[in-house]
Amino acid sequence: RKEVEQDPGPFNVPEGATVAFNCTYSNSASQSFFWYRQDCRKEPKLLMSVYSSGNEDGRFTAQLNRASQYISLLIRDSKLSDSATYLCVVNTNAGKSTFGDGTTLTVKP
Amino acid sequence: DAGVIQSPRHEVTEMGQEVTLRCKPISGHNSLFWYRQTMMRGLELLIYFNNNVPIDDSGMPEDRFSAKMPNASFSTLKIQPSEPRDSAVYFCASSPLDRGSNQPQHFGDGTRLSIL
Repeated sequence: RKEVEQDPGPFNVPEGATVAFNCTYSNSASQSFFWYRQDCRKEPKLLMSVYSSGNEDGRFTAQLNRASQYISLLIRDSKLSDSATYLCVVNTNAGKSTFGDGTTLTVKP
Repeated sequence: DAGVIQSPRHEVTEMGQEVTLRCKPISGHNSLFWYRQTMMRGLELLIYFNNNVPIDDSGMPEDRFSAKMPNASFSTLKIQPSEPRDSAVYFCASSPLDRGSNQPQHFGDGTRLSIL
């Protein structure tokens, strides 16, 4: 079993749709959590951190469930520019990051 | 502010040749990471350093791969001899060292390596 697992998708949604991605992790000692976005042939870029109480950044909402060991990302009112691969990242207290394989999102007109 | 700087951006070389990838982390960042990304295997952590000291190199595929960080502003990843299966995008990333591990990583643009 992988340390961090994501549904690879692809998710194909129309503009304006709401889409949610889930990610599960196996290391219960994991300390911090992030969502990254990676565009085709580009480097991963930090989208947002994930806090225990849940957090929102515009159309994006991230949530953490430590008991069930999963994190989620919700995108509301999808834009064409949201098309990308979304990577779930989990950090241990040693500072090591483990990346999921990513979920591919395509937003269509 | 300058981000993580990697060089070269692209490299094409014949198998058997030595390949050296370079990385300059963001100034003030104490942790540096080398990753490899392929379609088949996704993003794999090869090695990471804290304060120039290698902490975990369990992801280094084999002895042909080596990484050094002689000072806080420079790291190299070397492949000798290179093989076609080493073809991938190699990313370097850095982050501030935080015992609470709450710091995200910042990635360079990557080096696209093709071994013929």
